[in-house]
Amino acid sequence: AQSVAQPEDQVNVAEGNPLTVKCTYSVSGNPYLFWYVQYPNRGLQFLLKYITGDNLVKGSYGFEAEFNKSQTSFHLKKPSALVSDSALYFCAVREINDYKLSFGAGTTVTVRA
Amino acid sequence: DAGVIQSPRHEVTEMGQEVTLRCKPISGHNSLFWYRQTMMRGLELLIYFNNNVPIDDSGMPEDRFSAKMPNASFSTLKIQPSEPRDSAVYFCASSSGSNQPQHFGDGTRLSIL
Repeated sequence: AQSVAQPEDQVNVAEGNPLTVKCTYSVSGNPYLFWYVQYPNRGLQFLLKYITGDNLVKGSYGFEAEFNKSQTSFHLKKPSALVSDSALYFCAVREINDYKLSFGAGTTVTVRA
Repeated sequence: DAGVIQSPRHEVTEMGQEVTLRCKPISGHNSLFWYRQTMMRGLELLIYFNNNVPIDDSGMPEDRFSAKMPNASFSTLKIQPSEPRDSAVYFCASSSGSNQPQHFGDGTRLSIL
């Protein structure tokens, strides 16, 4: 079975400060890991993925995430947050030979001006 | 390129009525997913199609729910008869391969009165 935990329901940061959204996962084999962002009344928008290779993955809008196998984590980061980054963020995992994505419960990010 | 297109964006109807949600996946994508999103349960996978064939419908809540994919460019999710507890946002997503991300439409917000 596979699962994702996003331990923080909400993250609040000031504009210009670093932003981190935490994610830990559980799979029985090797994982494929994804981050998505959802703005109000919109669908989930793909940000970045880890499949294999370099543990530091760079994605859209200046976001990056670091895969840590020993800690089974895939935290999302942005060095300098913008007010427009305020949204709902989802981490997702699936096993390499599976099609089913397991999503975390989501973390609401609020960036204050 | 056009993304995943869903219609209608909003649907309000009375319980007992038939509801049909529509999805046009991204051209060339061979996998299609229907999800339901609620505050209480988060994102739930309802059904997964690969090459127009239903592979996993274990997430379909009841026999009142049915889904079809008559060709590579169109899928429907039908609820008959609808009930107030079916109120949710329904998303369609498509993907081009096993290690590729799912791309989501903007959803249909369904309200059953």
